Amino acid sequence: EIVMTQSPATLSVSPGARATLFCRASQSVSSDLAWYQLKPGQAPRLLIYGASTRATGIPARFSGSGSGTEFTLTISSLQSEDFAVYYCQQYNHWPPGTFGGGTKVEIK
Amino acid sequence: EVQLVESGGGLAQPGGSLRLSCAASGVTFSNHAMTWVRQAPGKGLEWVSAISDHGRSTYYSDSVKGRFTISRDDSKNTLYLQMNSLRVEDTAVYYCSQDSPICTVWGQGTLVTVSS
Repeated sequence: EIVMTQSPATLSVSPGARATLFCRASQSVSSDLAWYQLKPGQAPRLLIYGASTRATGIPARFSGSGSGTEFTLTISSLQSEDFAVYYCQQYNHWPPGTFGGGTKVEIK
Repeated sequence: EVQLVESGGGLAQPGGSLRLSCAASGVTFSNHAMTWVRQAPGKGLEWVSAISDHGRSTYYSDSVKGRFTISRDDSKNTLYLQMNSLRVEDTAVYYCSQDSPICTVWGQGTLVTVSS
C-alpha cells in the first residue's frame, strides 16, 4: 500500500501570505494526486486533481504541482476562509485511495 | 447543485451493526461511482469503500473487508454502508462522496460511535 506523508503537520501563516504544503508518496503515483480541504462542521471540498487541475469553482490562488513522489499545494495569498486542514490523496494505486496525514493551516 | 446527506450514525456496541445511508440530489445518481471515507477523532481521512456506477463492482479497505458492505439503490438515489461486527476503532465520522477514485462532492458526514 502506498504511504502518503504530508508536511508540515501544522503551518502558521499570516493572512495575505503564501502557504506551501508538501505531500510525498512512498512510490511513484504519476500525477494521480488530489488535494482536499476540510473545515470543522463542513463537507470536505475537492481542490485539485491530476496534481495540478483546479476543481470547479476553486479560486486561482490555489495551485498544485508535482509528479511521481513529490507534490506541492500552494495558496498564493491566504484568505480567512482558507484556514483549514488539507489532505492529499493518491489514486494511482487504487484501491485503496490512500490519504496523507493532513496539514493544518492556522492563523499566525 | 449536488447534495449528499448522510444518516444512520449513532452509538453501537462492539460486535453490533449499523447501516448508514447517503441520499443524493441534484445529480443523475446512477451514472456516478460513490465512495465512503471516514475520519476517526483526532485522526486523518481514511478511504473505506467504493462502488461503481450501477453497482457492478465494489471495493473495500483491508480494515473493513468482510465486515462492511457497500450497496446502492439507484431508484432511490441512495448509497448504503452496512457495518457489521463493529469495533471500537470503527468510531469515526463517515462521509459519502460522489465519484471514484477522486471524491468530487462530499456530504457533511455522520458520526458513528462504537462503545460499550
